[in-house]
Amino acid sequence: GAVVSQHPSWVICKSGTSVKIECRSLDFQATTMFWYRQFPKQSLMLMATSNEGSKATYEQGVEKDKFLINHASLTLSTLTVTSAHPEDSSFYICSARVTGTSSYNEQFFGPGTRLTVL
Amino acid sequence: DQQVKQNSPSLSVQEGRISILNCDYTNSMFDYFLWYKKYPAEGPTFLISISSIKDKNEDGRFTVFLNKSAKHLSLHIVPSQPGDSAVYFCAASFTGTYKYIFGTGTRLKVLA
Repeated sequence: GAVVSQHPSWVICKSGTSVKIECRSLDFQATTMFWYRQFPKQSLMLMATSNEGSKATYEQGVEKDKFLINHASLTLSTLTVTSAHPEDSSFYICSARVTGTSSYNEQFFGPGTRLTVL
Repeated sequence: DQQVKQNSPSLSVQEGRISILNCDYTNSMFDYFLWYKKYPAEGPTFLISISSIKDKNEDGRFTVFLNKSAKHLSLHIVPSQPGDSAVYFCAASFTGTYKYIFGTGTRLKVLA
């Protein structure tokens, strides 16, 4: 089946630093990827839609200058949390849609990245 | 505002019995619905989906029912197995966007 990886799986950083999270589709091409964050015992909240070769589309309330998204290839999207603060601590999950499909089911999730900001 | 809600945060069911997980939504423009299973510190895994033009979809032990007039869907798992213990999320999507709006999740515990 389709596999999506995320790196790192967990990261601890100091307040004020920036952290980059990678999302890769390992065995398929993904023109579109999505970034979610999940607070403990809460739902997955969609942050942004990442399209290869174009600017990301952010959901209402998500600061685009704080959460920088780059989708430079058909298999890689990155999320950079800039000037991270403790309130950015969360579980970040990406998903990737198989390029060229019209099926809703052809979207696969990565294992997530746990970010802790001290 | 939470457009997709799962009003039961947790559910316990005896092994072999039926598990019924419920999901309500507010936006009538949603036209595709999915159920995902999630373990802690892992990404969601797809279980089953249903288009708004249908009212039932079945896949093995999993059946999803959609009641559009009530803006309600449910996931039935029968028979329930201990390995089904996880958090279940319903998700809704709009035509063409493929963005998922997730519900709040229900933690299912299947007792052996």
